Amino acid sequence: DTEVTQTPKHLVMGMTNKKSLKCEQHMGHRAMYWYKQKAKKPPELMFVYSYEKLSINESVPSRFSPECPNSSLLNLHLHALQPEDSALYLCASSHPGLVSGPQSYEQYFGPGTRLTVT
Amino acid sequence: SQQGEEDPQALSIQEGENATMNCSYKTSINNLQWYRQNSGRGLVHLILIRSNEREKHSGRLRVTLDTSKKSSSLLITASRAADTASYFCATPSGTYKYIFGTGTRLKVLA
Repeated sequence: DTEVTQTPKHLVMGMTNKKSLKCEQHMGHRAMYWYKQKAKKPPELMFVYSYEKLSINESVPSRFSPECPNSSLLNLHLHALQPEDSALYLCASSHPGLVSGPQSYEQYFGPGTRLTVT
Repeated sequence: SQQGEEDPQALSIQEGENATMNCSYKTSINNLQWYRQNSGRGLVHLILIRSNEREKHSGRLRVTLDTSKKSSSLLITASRAADTASYFCATPSGTYKYIFGTGTRLKVLA
């Protein structure tokens, strides 16, 4: 199974709502990523978990709260978002090797959650 | 900006023609990867070229890497309508981070 699944596919939320995005993979990958992508732009890294521990937080506002309950699941909790947070949110996973080392691993991406904040 | 620059930004060709897109960085690059993204979907890994390689082929894809010029190119031969997508290069930065290029939007006309 080389699939990363994400739910929901679409989400519309108000600025006072609390919602969560979910991501799951069963490839045994121990590195998992959240990216944000605006239209016609490349993905922007938000968070990286390695072995269920937060390794990278790219100075993301606290209204985004990641969680990695186990090696297969990754959540992104959303609270008090702004309209400019509307975007495609992508989850990815990979082997956790040093990406610039001799064994550079590809990332497997989920289909994304299209988030609209009203 | 740490982003890689890709050109052209957009490319429209006829089915059967070849498509070439280029990627360049201001910082050193290694183990460069290319991804494809269909409209509004996740990215799909196409090919990885390592720092000690200059050229690599995979099916209709040909990738070159010039580490001295900090650049790479992706050639898609005999393009098909199904190749219509955005293409991104990505190079590692640090332990887990990838720096993506700005992307090339390819449209293949049937």
